Amino acid sequence: DQQVKQNSPSLSVQEGRISILNCDYTNSMFDYFLWYKKYPAEGPTFLISISSIKDKNEDGRFTVFLNKSAKHLSLHIVPSQPGDSAVYFCAASENYGQNFVFGPGTRLSVLP
Amino acid sequence: GAVVSQHPSRVICKSGTSVKIECRSLDFQATTMFWYRQFPKKSLMLMATSNEGSKATYEQGVEKDKFLINHASLTLSTLTVTSAHPEDSSFYICSAGAGWVGEKLFFGSGTQLSVL
Repeated sequence: DQQVKQNSPSLSVQEGRISILNCDYTNSMFDYFLWYKKYPAEGPTFLISISSIKDKNEDGRFTVFLNKSAKHLSLHIVPSQPGDSAVYFCAASENYGQNFVFGPGTRLSVLP
Repeated sequence: GAVVSQHPSRVICKSGTSVKIECRSLDFQATTMFWYRQFPKKSLMLMATSNEGSKATYEQGVEKDKFLINHASLTLSTLTVTSAHPEDSSFYICSAGAGWVGEKLFFGSGTQLSVL
């Protein structure tokens, strides 16, 4: 049973447009969510996080939205740049812990 | 930012041999390290949580005797795949963190294990 889902395995977006990556979760006990970005042959790197007491967190071009009632979060990248092309993982944990459950990832391709 | 070094990046071994993978935190002390396994097109699956100076906590379905974890110091954790078989072929990745709420995990670059 997959507790964190990223139903789109891939996404292509034109440079300069908005990229929206979606993540759904089933465990209502999750209270801390992160997005990680992964380039080939590298480990994932932290991108942005949000706790369950917020519904939005913004960092530069990256914004994460959390809809607790729908158990859904999304990552918005505006404007998208070719360097954003990577695999994006959504992760969630309980009790703000470090024991994260990861989604399967979405491969974003930003086309010049 | 903090760096986690993982070695080797790729290893090919014969069935029945053991393989050790190292995970080092280079510029911080990691009280906790995590080991994951990733199958193609699947998510990172947590295998075990490694705490310095104590036994690792394994996730359900992970064989403790097959995947030996040692966290002997605050900067080093090792994963040993014992008597490897072709079904153990996978991508293994470690992460390390220190501290509590809001802590970001720092990941190694992963190890691709191929068992012939």
